[in-house]
Amino acid sequence: EVQLVESGGGLVKPGGSLRLSCAASGFTFSSYSMNWVRQAPGKGLEWVSSISSSSSYIYYADSVKGRFTISRDNAKNSLYLQMNSLRAEDTAVYYCASLKGMDDYWGQGTLVTVSS
Amino acid sequence: QSALTQPPSVSGSPGQSVTISCTGTSSDVGSYNRVSWYQQPPGTAPKLMIYEVSNRPSGVPDRFSGSKSGNTASLTISGLQAEDEADYYCSLYTSSSTFGVVFGGGTKLTVL
Repeated sequence: EVQLVESGGGLVKPGGSLRLSCAASGFTFSSYSMNWVRQAPGKGLEWVSSISSSSSYIYYADSVKGRFTISRDNAKNSLYLQMNSLRAEDTAVYYCASLKGMDDYWGQGTLVTVSS
Repeated sequence: QSALTQPPSVSGSPGQSVTISCTGTSSDVGSYNRVSWYQQPPGTAPKLMIYEVSNRPSGVPDRFSGSKSGNTASLTISGLQAEDEADYYCSLYTSSSTFGVVFGGGTKLTVL
């Protein structure tokens, strides 16, 4: 059974940092590009960042470029998102997801709240 | 990266058909066939309903179908059922360095 389990969310003050993790199992993680997608309370889905299977290609949404860093460790079947200089508008549920055609897997999400 | 344009809401009665549109440009929807559709009931993660414009994953009822014409992709739900009430999102996946993935703004489907 495919599983993606996010962790690391929580309450952080504006300007602070947080590191999200996503543990993958049940599929060949090292063969998949992976993504972070977020959803602010009551809002739609927003793609945040993508990383290719070997970490050769990395993309970011303009809204997080320069503040967030995506990475992965294929030996640990894990995906990460380092979030710095957090803003109130970064408050959202963060999902890790594969988004690859029929091989479309999502975690349950982890809530990040940026508030003083 | 501009979000793809979806109507904020659609509605239909049980048994009817509804279509949700997803409009982009010739540079995105018009150029790529990696359009997916997701269903998201409140408080849950999105569920894939259609991938690559018109393909249904196993387990998705054939009442759900997808198509594309020009810069607009569409999701049609026929034989509407109460359990179909949810938010629906289109997405476009590319390997472009300009943008990786873009989502539509979402459409709330209400079953009357």
